[in-house]
Amino acid sequence: AQSVTQPDIHITVSEGASLELRCNYSYGATPYLFWYVQSPGQGLQLLLKYFSGDTLVQGIKGFEAEFKRSQSSFNLRKPSVHWSDAAEYFCAVGLLNTGGFKTIFGAGTRLFVKA
Amino acid sequence: GAGVSQSPSNKVTEKGKDVELRCDPISGHTALYWYRQSLGQGLEFLIYFQGNSAPDKSGLPSDRFSAERTGGSVSTLTIQRTQQEDSAVYLCASSLVRGAGETQYFGPGTRLLVL
Repeated sequence: AQSVTQPDIHITVSEGASLELRCNYSYGATPYLFWYVQSPGQGLQLLLKYFSGDTLVQGIKGFEAEFKRSQSSFNLRKPSVHWSDAAEYFCAVGLLNTGGFKTIFGAGTRLFVKA
Repeated sequence: GAGVSQSPSNKVTEKGKDVELRCDPISGHTALYWYRQSLGQGLEFLIYFQGNSAPDKSGLPSDRFSAERTGGSVSTLTIQRTQQEDSAVYLCASSLVRGAGETQYFGPGTRLLVL
């Protein structure tokens, strides 16, 4: 079955430290891959997405993600975290199955930033 | 403006009552999606519209849930005879077209509490 796994329910990092949020998916082919961010009381906003080509994708707010086919992963990274990055982050895959297009979201990782 | 708007922002209702949640998508977006986000959970897909039709209703949790879209624009999600387990944030999203690689633009959500 197709699925998206975000192993970390929450992560705490110090401001200025680097960040990596993990995402693994289960799908027979390479799906479309997304990272969204949800700030408190807000809807989800797209950070970046990957379709094909260069496996390192740059997004907004200084985020990047790397697609690794061998590991079925699409981890999100940021070299230096800012307090305003505290939010919930969702990995998602877009795929085509017999029922048509489908988007599957992970359960999310909540990021806490400490001073 | 415009982004995706939803109303009401918050809704408190008593068990057994019916509720209607409204979504105004971005003008010109043909695809519209409803998701449910329960505490600590990821996004649960409910239904999507392409234009005014809903080809995929498989995500609706029960026959108490229904949705319609008129004029290719505004959508209403109706929950009849609400139950406490319906308490969640209901998110609406729209995209220019329907596709696995399309970016979805989310509204801020309606927080529903069933007492």
